[in-house]
Amino acid sequence: EVQLVESGGGLVQPGRSLRLSCAASGFTFDDYAMHWVRLAPGKGLEWVSGISWNSGHIDYADSVKGRFTISRDNVKNSLYLQMNSLRAEDTALYYCARDSRPSIRGGVFDFWGQGTMVTVSS
Amino acid sequence: DIQMTQSPSSLSASVGDRVTITCQASEDISTDLNWYQLKPGKAPKLLIYDVSKLQTGVPARFSGGGSGTEFTFTISSLQPEDIGTYYCQQCDKLSPITFGQGTRLEIK
Repeated sequence: EVQLVESGGGLVQPGRSLRLSCAASGFTFDDYAMHWVRLAPGKGLEWVSGISWNSGHIDYADSVKGRFTISRDNVKNSLYLQMNSLRAEDTALYYCARDSRPSIRGGVFDFWGQGTMVTVSS
Repeated sequence: DIQMTQSPSSLSASVGDRVTITCQASEDISTDLNWYQLKPGKAPKLLIYDVSKLQTGVPARFSGGGSGTEFTFTISSLQPEDIGTYYCQQCDKLSPITFGQGTRLEIK
């Protein structure tokens, strides 16, 4: 059974950093690209970042470019999101999602975690 | 970036009704269009991919259609467990991934 379990969310002050993790199981992790998607309160889904199966192709939404860094460890079957210079508008439920293909240009998110909440507030 | 305009933003229907949601892309995305269901406290679920392909395990009452810039998502006979929020998503190869604004579906 495919499982994606996010962790690392919490309350953080503006300007500070947070690192999210996503533990994957039930599938061959390095066969798939992975993504982070967020859902802000009262808003719709927003794609945040994606990473190909071998970390060779990485992309970010303009809203987080230069502040967030996605990475993966195919030995530990884990996906990460380092979030720096956090802003109030980064407050959201952050989901880890598996792409159905190895490339981030696949874009079909066939499995998701339940999310971890990040709240940026002073 | 490609903008996805989804309508309606909310919808109330009775059990057994046929429900349709539309999604319009700001430019031609061919068949790079997917539909997801979100429920509070649960992992989002892929329902339809590549416009009309039913994800494994998804009931046949869900369907999708369209091409280019106009797309539809239909529930042929609404069931109580279908309440939630539905999103379209485009995954054009040359553009960042974007979602529609979502449609909140309720039972009358």
